[in-house]
Amino acid sequence: EVQLVESGGGLVQPGGSLRLSCAASGFTFSTYWMNWVRQTPGKGLEWVANINPDGSVKSYVDSMKGRFTISRDNAKNSLYLQMYSLSAEDTALYYCVGSSTVWGQGTLVTVSS
Amino acid sequence: DVVLTQSPLSLPVTLGQPASISCRSSQSLVHSDGNTYLLWFQQRPGQSPRRLIYKISNRDSGVPDRFSGSGSGTDFTLKISRVEAEDVGVYYCMQYTHWPHTFGQGTKLEI
Repeated sequence: EVQLVESGGGLVQPGGSLRLSCAASGFTFSTYWMNWVRQTPGKGLEWVANINPDGSVKSYVDSMKGRFTISRDNAKNSLYLQMYSLSAEDTALYYCVGSSTVWGQGTLVTVSS
Repeated sequence: DVVLTQSPLSLPVTLGQPASISCRSSQSLVHSDGNTYLLWFQQRPGQSPRRLIYKISNRDSGVPDRFSGSGSGTDFTLKISRVEAEDVGVYYCMQYTHWPHTFGQGTKLEI
């Protein structure tokens, strides 16, 4: 079964950090562009970052550049998102997405004091 | 950033009747390689988004043929020929011709 399972979300204080993980199974992870997409009730769906199959090319939405780092470990079929300097505006459900076809169930990040 | 504007934002429909959602882009979505990277997603209540259509009009595997996509340049449409109860949810257009990839605001289809 094709599957992406996110983990690592939770409650974090403003200014804090969090690392999200995504475990892939059921497809050839190392051949997929991988992405993080977030969703909030107010802003809807928002692309966060993506990374090419071998990890050599990474792109970020401007508002996250310098604060978020996307990475992958093809040997472990895993995708990561390291987030720093979090603010309330980063509160969202974060999805791991393979190409645009495989979506995880999301992991909730809440930034609040 | 490319802005995708969907209309309507709310779409009440009757079972068995057609439905249509518009997606207009603030700039052309034709890529330099000649392709137009416009997608449509369905998000049912409590679920993650699911891709229905890619490159304007290509249905994904398992997507019923009552769903169809059309358009070009900056104007695109998702049509459902006969709405069924399982079609309830929010529909999003999305482009990945330009970075950052962007989504429309979503159209809530309700029976």
